[in-house]
Amino acid sequence: SQQGEEDPQALSIQEGENATMNCSYKTSINNLQWYRQNSGRGLVHLILIRSNEREKHSGRLRVTLDTSKKSSSLLITASRAADTASYFCATDARNTGGFKTIFGAGTRLFVKA
Amino acid sequence: NAGVTQTPKFRVLKTGQSMTLLCAQDMNHEYMYWYRQDPGMGLRLIHYSVGEGTTAKGEVPDGYNVSRLKKQNFLLGLESAAPSQTSVYFCASSYAWGGYEQYFGPGTRLTVT
Repeated sequence: SQQGEEDPQALSIQEGENATMNCSYKTSINNLQWYRQNSGRGLVHLILIRSNEREKHSGRLRVTLDTSKKSSSLLITASRAADTASYFCATDARNTGGFKTIFGAGTRLFVKA
Repeated sequence: NAGVTQTPKFRVLKTGQSMTLLCAQDMNHEYMYWYRQDPGMGLRLIHYSVGEGTTAKGEVPDGYNVSRLKKQNFLLGLESAAPSQTSVYFCASSYAWGGYEQYFGPGTRLTVT
């Protein structure tokens, strides 16, 4: 089963509104990353938050991490039509024999102009 | 600086045919990955490599083989294609694991009939 699960699966908002996406995971992690994927393209890294961090900012992005609840959220403020994309969380965790990076199924964001 | 490139971009195979997907990166990254992306399931790791000459199994390795003869190249082979391998395949690379972003190629859309 997927380690990271995004919620909601799809989100439609007006330009200028804020968009919040959530990611839940099951086991302890080292890091959590958020990626964006435009239709038909590869994933692009947005932001990384380490397990000992609670919040990070990058431009209009704000990411929070609550390790006690095993959840993270991505907030995009003042959304633009160009933010229309799918957003994925990815968790990094060590396991016996190596490591695992597991991607969630993604949230599809549609920003209406 | 091209980043991560993949060839081909599209391919249609008949059941039982074989093919090789090529991934190349020019960032001198040690780690390289092959993922498949299916609707509603996010990305799943097929195989990965932690350096030239090394390969390891990911989450869904069955039916695939890989080779990393040169640091900049990571090949994914399908020896006998099956319809269940119809998917979009992404290659990625990173400097290391655990706190380092992955850089993705544009993807290869494979259809097996």
